[in-house]
Amino acid sequence: DADVTQTPRNRITKTGKRIMLECSQTKGHDRMYWYRQDPGLGLRLIYYSFDVKDINKGEISDGYSVSRQAQAKFSLSLESAIPNQTALYFCATSGGPGWGTEAFFGQGTRLTVV
Amino acid sequence: AQTVTQSQPEMSVQEAETVTLSCTYDTSESDYYLFWYKQPPSRQMILVIRQEAYKQQNATENRFSVNFQKAAKSFSLKISDSQLGDAAMYFCAYRRGDKIIFGKGTRLHILP
Repeated sequence: DADVTQTPRNRITKTGKRIMLECSQTKGHDRMYWYRQDPGLGLRLIYYSFDVKDINKGEISDGYSVSRQAQAKFSLSLESAIPNQTALYFCATSGGPGWGTEAFFGQGTRLTVV
Repeated sequence: AQTVTQSQPEMSVQEAETVTLSCTYDTSESDYYLFWYKQPPSRQMILVIRQEAYKQQNATENRFSVNFQKAAKSFSLKISDSQLGDAAMYFCAYRRGDKIIFGKGTRLHILP
């Protein structure tokens, strides 16, 4: 089984709908991240979390919200999806206690908003 | 704010040849980490190589090596003996603290 699991893998939704992307990890990491990938723009950070009580905005948090339900679970919500939120979304984890380790990624969720 | 710049959106290399992908970054910090990730068509993000800024020695992983120039804030990736399986998007990334920032990527084509 994958260490970082994202569900769903692919999703098509309509404009205005609420959608949740889920992420769970078995690596025991306390840091979790949500990124968005668009062609030509690379990966951009949406939100990141150090633990269940700590949520931080990234560079493109508008239109998104997150919930850290447990150390191992971090979900991303689009309250009212719009077409320009069509993208590939990645969840990632990393360890601590400091800042010396790389990020481990899930398989990504391809989201299409029509 | 830290930024990571990959100036080559696409590159091509002949199979078995050597190619170098460029990455520059902007930071005022002295301690940080740099990474290269590979994203094949499967879209999985795979760590290729890691460099600690406090280490002067360039990191190497088999056919992959980096040229880390701290003063110039440059972190290029060299792929030797290119193989068809190296065809992918490559992302340069910077980490200081808990933020990990990525460049826009370079798409590498391998010509048979």
